[in-house]
Amino acid sequence: DAGITQSPRHKVTETGTPVTLRCHQTENHRYMYWYRQDPGHGLRLIHYSYGVKDTDKGEVSDGYSVSRSKTEDFLLTLESATSSQTSVYFCATAKSFSSYNEQFFGPGTRLTVL
Amino acid sequence: DAKTTQPPSMDCAEGRAANLPCNHSTISGNEYVYWYRQIHSQGPQYIIHGLKNNETNEMASLIITEDRKSSTLILPHATLRDTAVYYCIVRVTNFGNEKLTFGTGTRLTIIP
Repeated sequence: DAGITQSPRHKVTETGTPVTLRCHQTENHRYMYWYRQDPGHGLRLIHYSYGVKDTDKGEVSDGYSVSRSKTEDFLLTLESATSSQTSVYFCATAKSFSSYNEQFFGPGTRLTVL
Repeated sequence: DAKTTQPPSMDCAEGRAANLPCNHSTISGNEYVYWYRQIHSQGPQYIIHGLKNNETNEMASLIITEDRKSSTLILPHATLRDTAVYYCIVRVTNFGNEKLTFGTGTRLTIIP
């Protein structure tokens, strides 16, 4: 689906350390998204991008920043990881804005903050 | 985007039709109904979406009531591989609101 890869797939880190997750897509989709998934909360949007260098906040953006310098890459950074950021992180892409805004999801990154 | 209500879990016998309900009583006229599913540990997968007419594709059918306050996703011949969490999402598709808001969904278990 849309050739989406996420790296790393698993990461264990310590509180206070910076962490960067990478999402890479090969379909030239304009829109990219970062979600986190926690038990009892479903998926919640962290940040999204509607073009190179164009990003906006989602519902749970505190403690996260993003960057998109190329169409194919969308980076999520935890400046100083906390245990509350232990989660599974999903990247998604969408081709364009339209009523058929099907989002394609990557395989996820499992992050554990000790 | 309008709020949706789904039952937390459902069972369905293999080979039977699985009917997953969703209530979206506060939906507005320009909001679409989307369905996604998530098979264990994988990323969500798009299934189908619609505005007011019933829709069908190779995966499922979507039935939206005439008043649009509820909908039903139908998997016509459920298989064990359809065991997943199913999310009903309502959203308006205007610029600046491309994002999807996922609730907690319905956990569908297909029984052999």
